[in-house]
Amino acid sequence: AQSVTQLGSHVSVSEGALVLLRCNYSSSVPPYLFWYVQYPNQGLQLLLKYTTGATLVKGINGFEAEFKKSETSFHLTKPSAHMSDAAEYFCAVTGYNQGGKLIFGQGTELSVKP
Amino acid sequence: EAQVTQNPRYLITVTGKKLTVTCSQNMNHEYMSWYRQDPGLGLRQIYYSMNVEVTDKGDVPEGYKVSRKEKRNFPLILESPSPNQTSLYFCASSLRGGGGIRTDTQYFGPGTRLTVL
Repeated sequence: AQSVTQLGSHVSVSEGALVLLRCNYSSSVPPYLFWYVQYPNQGLQLLLKYTTGATLVKGINGFEAEFKKSETSFHLTKPSAHMSDAAEYFCAVTGYNQGGKLIFGQGTELSVKP
Repeated sequence: EAQVTQNPRYLITVTGKKLTVTCSQNMNHEYMSWYRQDPGLGLRQIYYSMNVEVTDKGDVPEGYKVSRKEKRNFPLILESPSPNQTSLYFCASSLRGGGGIRTDTQYFGPGTRLTVL
C-alpha cells in the first residue's frame, strides 16, 4: 500500500523567505511522486513530478523538489516566496500497479506575509 | 484551449434526489478519473476509466456510479445522494490509459462543490 504524509497543514512565511513544504511517502513499489498546487476556487495544477532519473526535479514558478529514497521524502522548496505563492499544496504518489490512482497527502496551506 | 470542464460548479440538493455531475475533456485523453476532496483528507479517488467502456472502482466508490460511453465524457452519478457526500469533486484526465498513466500528468477540472441537505 502507498501513503503520503505532509507535515504541517498550515505554513506561513514572509515574502522573500525560503519555502519548505515537507512530504514523506510510504510505498512498497518504486514511487512516482508529484506536487500539485491549488489556488482558491481552482482545480489542481501540476508543479513538478519525479518519475525516474535525476532526483532533483525543477518545476514551474521556481519550485523544486528532491527525491530522497533513503529518507522516503520528496520535500518542496522555493528560495524566495512571493505573495502569489499563497495556495494549498498537495503531494501525491503513485506506482506501476496503481491503475493511475494518485494517493494524495492531506495538503499544506501556504500563507505569505508581506 | 486544452482543458477539463465540469458542470455544475456549485450544487445544493436534498437527500435522495438523483444528480449528475458532468466532466468533459478536449485533449483526446484515454484516462479519466473522479476524486473527492475533504478537509484534512486530501483527495481520494472515487472511480476511474482507462478508456471507453472501461471503468473501475477507486478507494471510495460507495454511493456513486460512472459511465464512459464516449472518450471525452465521464459523468459522475449520485443515484440517492446523502449528506456524507457533501464534498468538493474533481474530474481529472491524462493522455494514456495503459502503462504510461503512472508518469503522465493528470489534468484537473475546476471542481464541483456539492452540498447535500
